[in-house]
Amino acid sequence: GQSLEQPSEVTAVEGAIVQINCTYQTSGFYGLSWYQQHDGGAPTFLSYNALDGLEETGRFSSFLSRSDSYGYLLLQELQMKDSASYFCALTVIKAAGNKLTFGGGTRVLVKP
Amino acid sequence: DGGITQSPKYLFRKEGQNVTLSCEQNLNHDAMYWYRQDPGQGLRLIYYSQIVNDFQKGDIAEGYSVSREKKESFPLTVTSAQKNPTAFYLCASSLQGQGREAFFGQGTRLTVV
Repeated sequence: GQSLEQPSEVTAVEGAIVQINCTYQTSGFYGLSWYQQHDGGAPTFLSYNALDGLEETGRFSSFLSRSDSYGYLLLQELQMKDSASYFCALTVIKAAGNKLTFGGGTRVLVKP
Repeated sequence: DGGITQSPKYLFRKEGQNVTLSCEQNLNHDAMYWYRQDPGQGLRLIYYSQIVNDFQKGDIAEGYSVSREKKESFPLTVTSAQKNPTAFYLCASSLQGQGREAFFGQGTRLTVV
């Protein structure tokens, strides 16, 4: 099977930078995605890494190292609205179709 | 507007009853997924489907059943065999292929009393 590990909670102040790490165990996957979920809401897609390296999307960047089975999401210039849970997810290759598996999530609390 | 719709938003059922959660998408997506989320927890995969009339068990399929008779629809039945059915259920869809963005419905919060 697959497993993804993330820290359960991170607290930071407005304007700071937060890095959320994700380590995983799997065989045969396409890439690593990141999703944001506000309390009571639906997850929304943030970024995707198919290849090793850094992908930048505005204030958010994501990194993948396949050799280390590791990725991270970097949140820069934190804003109050960034308080949410963040999930890493693997798109795993399966004969019957791709399987999208999520980690346990990291709750980010942004303080003034 | 294109999107993925789950209904109802809140659902209450008595213990021992089967209940079916609706998920419809008009995004022309091939892949559809059902997840369960418990308070403060991650998303656990129940079932997923890549094509009509075919679906696969996820990590926690016991006590659940699905069907995929149409591309647009992927209903989930929570059966009486599910020992702890009270949870937040999320449906998602995506295009086929590598790392395609998954779009989620707004979820159904099921409470079994």
